[in-house]
Amino acid sequence: GIQVEQSPPDLILQEGANSTLRCNFSDSVNNLQWFHQNPWGQLINLFYIPSGTKQNGRLSATTVATERYSLLYISSSQTTDSGVYFCAALSGAGSYQLTFGKGTKLSVIP
Amino acid sequence: DAGITQSPRYKITETGRQVTLMCHQTWSHSYMFWYRQDLGHGLRLIYYSAAADITDKGEVSDGYVVSRSKTENFPLTLESATRSQTSVYFCASIQGLGGNSPLHFGNGTRLTVT
Repeated sequence: GIQVEQSPPDLILQEGANSTLRCNFSDSVNNLQWFHQNPWGQLINLFYIPSGTKQNGRLSATTVATERYSLLYISSSQTTDSGVYFCAALSGAGSYQLTFGKGTKLSVIP
Repeated sequence: DAGITQSPRYKITETGRQVTLMCHQTWSHSYMFWYRQDLGHGLRLIYYSAAADITDKGEVSDGYVVSRSKTENFPLTLESATRSQTSVYFCASIQGLGGNSPLHFGNGTRLTVT
């Protein structure tokens, strides 16, 4: 099955700083999503982005499908951005398994 | 309210007991999933379902059983709980696997097997 790797595994930011999280995947994808798990354990869908660029407030994501990676940008970080960010990918027809990376743990300090 | 709900939120059980975790979604989504989350392993797929009465195994299905007699419900049963099944369990649903269809998660069930 598809392999999904995320980097960095841990990231500490000062409030107001910008950051880029990366997700590499081993096969072509027709479904790529980013999630935020907050400190209370809730998993929130941020983006569905198998290709192209999307923006939602201070967050944006870009997937370059031909090069098999996706980036999540967080600008002007806030303490509420803390948590773990996961990407998940689904490859090819006939597969129903969204495979998750191991996540990037982000800590934003005031 | 619309959404995906899991019950119970917390469960403590003893080794060897049967436990059922419930998942209910109100969107009539076709696909439903069960994941477990453990430190160092991220989210791993236990079982998934493409529609009512269609289920299939994921990466870590041993010791688990699912059913889906109705589109909105997808219960997960641990037939004889073991300590290695102590974990946080998440149910998720999605309308389709292509197209602009986000995956939505329930709030999770924290299971402890003593």
